[in-house]
Amino acid sequence: EAQVTQNPRYLITVTGKKLTVTCSQNMNHEYMSWYRQDPGLGLRQIYYSMNVEVTDKGDVPEGYKVSRKEKRNFPLILESPSPNQTSLYFCASHPLGGSDTQYFGPGTRLTVL
Amino acid sequence: AQSVTQLGSHVSVSEGALVLLRCNYSSSVPPYLFWYVQYPNQGLQLLLKYTTGATLVKGINGFEAEFKKSETSFHLTKPSAHMSDAAEYFCAVTIGGATNKLIFGTGTLLAVQP
Repeated sequence: EAQVTQNPRYLITVTGKKLTVTCSQNMNHEYMSWYRQDPGLGLRQIYYSMNVEVTDKGDVPEGYKVSRKEKRNFPLILESPSPNQTSLYFCASHPLGGSDTQYFGPGTRLTVL
Repeated sequence: AQSVTQLGSHVSVSEGALVLLRCNYSSSVPPYLFWYVQYPNQGLQLLLKYTTGATLVKGINGFEAEFKKSETSFHLTKPSAHMSDAAEYFCAVTIGGATNKLIFGTGTLLAVQP
C-alpha cells in the first residue's frame, strides 16, 4: 500500500531535549516536505527536499533541521525544542511536477513543556 | 506571491442541506488548486484538484469545485450534506515548478447537524 508513515504519532517532551520525528514514504517520490499545522493558521511549510541531499527552507524553518540521506526518508530534527514548537506536524511526498497530488502522513502531535 | 483565503472558519449545515465552502486565491500565474479534507485525528486526504482543462472538477464523496478565473475562486460544494462530512477542509494553491510548495488556507471546520 502506497503510504507516508510518521513516528511517533504523539510526543510530549521538555524544553531543550533534542528529538527526531521520522518520515518515510514507499512511493519512490522525489519531493518530500514537512508542514506544521496550528489553529487559525492552516498548514505552513517548514522544510522541503527535491531529492537526496537536496533540502531547502520553507516558510517557518527556524528551530528545525532536516536531512535527506535516502530517497524514502526525511526526518525532522528539533535540536532544542521550545514551547512555541508545540504543534501538529505533517510529512508529505509527491513526484516532481506541479499538478501532482501530495500525499500526507498521519501527523505527529508534539507538545513541548 | 500566491495566497489563499477561506471565508468562514466554521460552517454549520443541516444534514441533507447544500454544502458551500469558499476559497479565493491570489496568483500571478495560472495556479493549480486543491481541496484537502482532514477528519478528526487523521492526516490530510485529497478531495479534488484543478490543474488544466475542465473548470468543474468532481472529487470523492460527492464533492465538486469550480475554477472561476475571473473571480479567482475555487469554491467547494456538495448538494446534500451527510453526517460523515463533518471535518476540516483546506483549500491550497501551487504554481508548480521545481519547489511545488503548497500554500494552504486557514481551513474551514464543517459541522453537520442532524
